[in-house]
Amino acid sequence: GAVVSQHPSWVICKSGTSVKIECRSLDFQATTMFWYRQFPKQSLMLMATSNEGSKATYEQGVEKDKFLINHASLTLSTLTVTSAHPEDSSFYICSAPSTGQETQYFGPGTRLLVL
Amino acid sequence: AQSVTQLGSHVSVSEGALVLLRCNYSSSVPPYLFWYVQYPNQGLQLLLKYTTGATLVKGINGFEAEFKKSETSFHLTKPSAHMSDATEYFCAVRRDSNYQLIWGAGTKLIIKP
Repeated sequence: GAVVSQHPSWVICKSGTSVKIECRSLDFQATTMFWYRQFPKQSLMLMATSNEGSKATYEQGVEKDKFLINHASLTLSTLTVTSAHPEDSSFYICSAPSTGQETQYFGPGTRLLVL
Repeated sequence: AQSVTQLGSHVSVSEGALVLLRCNYSSSVPPYLFWYVQYPNQGLQLLLKYTTGATLVKGINGFEAEFKKSETSFHLTKPSAHMSDATEYFCAVRRDSNYQLIWGAGTKLIIKP
């Protein structure tokens, strides 16, 4: 199957700093990527849809100025958590649909801890 | 509106016993249905999917699922549970408008020795 990578796999930062998370489709092109947040023992919560060459589409309740998404190429989307606070600590997962849009492939996730 | 319901946040079976994880969906169009597995601190791995064609779908690790339109179900089964199957399982239906996935709440599978 298709491979999606995320970097970093985990990050610890101080409150007030910004953190960038990368999501790459390694062996296919993705005009769309999805960013999720997962709290402990819960399902995935869709944050936004990243669109190559255009603005991301954010889900209701997600602050677009806090969670900046850039989809600069057909294989890379980035999520920047700006001015991070402890409540932003979570597991962030990206996914990309296969070429035929039939299946989503997930990255391994990024664990963010804000102190 | 489309939705997914996973019955039972926790399912416990003995090693070697049948595994049955339940998933019901609602959709006004023919659904694309998925089961994903998530190991601790990892992303999600596709277990199996139903798009069109044969309603009994076989996946990895000995799992299979059957699409039953009349029951709006897509239950996941495995004939004989193994200790390594103990983890979290998510059922999802693809939103027809924009390819996003609508997720069930997840079911944690517990295997008793």
